[in-house]
Amino acid sequence: DQQVKQNSPSLSVQEGRISILNCDYTNSMFDYFLWYKKYPAEGPTFLISISSIKDKNEDGRFTVFLNKSAKHLSLHIVPSQPGDSAVYFCAATPMSNTGKLIFGQGTTLQVKP
Amino acid sequence: DAGITQSPRHKVTETGTPVTLRCHQTENHRYMYWYRQDPGHGLRLIHYSYGVKDTDKGEVSDGYSVSRSKTEDFLLTLESATSSQTSVYFCAIRDGSSYEQYFGPGTRLTVT
Repeated sequence: DQQVKQNSPSLSVQEGRISILNCDYTNSMFDYFLWYKKYPAEGPTFLISISSIKDKNEDGRFTVFLNKSAKHLSLHIVPSQPGDSAVYFCAATPMSNTGKLIFGQGTTLQVKP
Repeated sequence: DAGITQSPRHKVTETGTPVTLRCHQTENHRYMYWYRQDPGHGLRLIHYSYGVKDTDKGEVSDGYSVSRSKTEDFLLTLESATSSQTSVYFCAIRDGSSYEQYFGPGTRLTVT
């Protein structure tokens, strides 16, 4: 029973173009969402987050969009750079004291020079 | 970078042996978490701690136990390792003022 799903295992884009990574969730109790980036042999690193009271959050080249009615969020990277090549995980939490995160399966992004 | 380390970084052990993984933080954060990462599953929570001696189960806790006797250390123990516990284990910390968790570098465990 996967509560957070990333249905695209991989994505390939050209350097300079936009990368769009998608994430769907099923639990309506989730109200805070995060994106992590992971390079091989390293731990995940926090990228950007969004609360359910917003529909967009931007940080430099990274923008996260949240569509609560569709239970869908997306991460846009513009422009994409070769150094963005990594595995991207979305995660969700119901904003409880425990802060437990539920992760998606991950999407491997390859940015070609 | 968050001050979080994991030891060992790699370990190979035999089925049936006990294994303890250590997570150490220098940030004085209240919350600590253990996850495992497996292909097709992303990261799944094993156990977490919300203070010294305060721990609770995550979604895949069977076969694992934890202890936290000091703020800075969170130990994950496999009492009797099985091949299904071959995985990469990540520790994470959170200070409680936000929901972002910061991860350690991981421990790759192989159970033969």
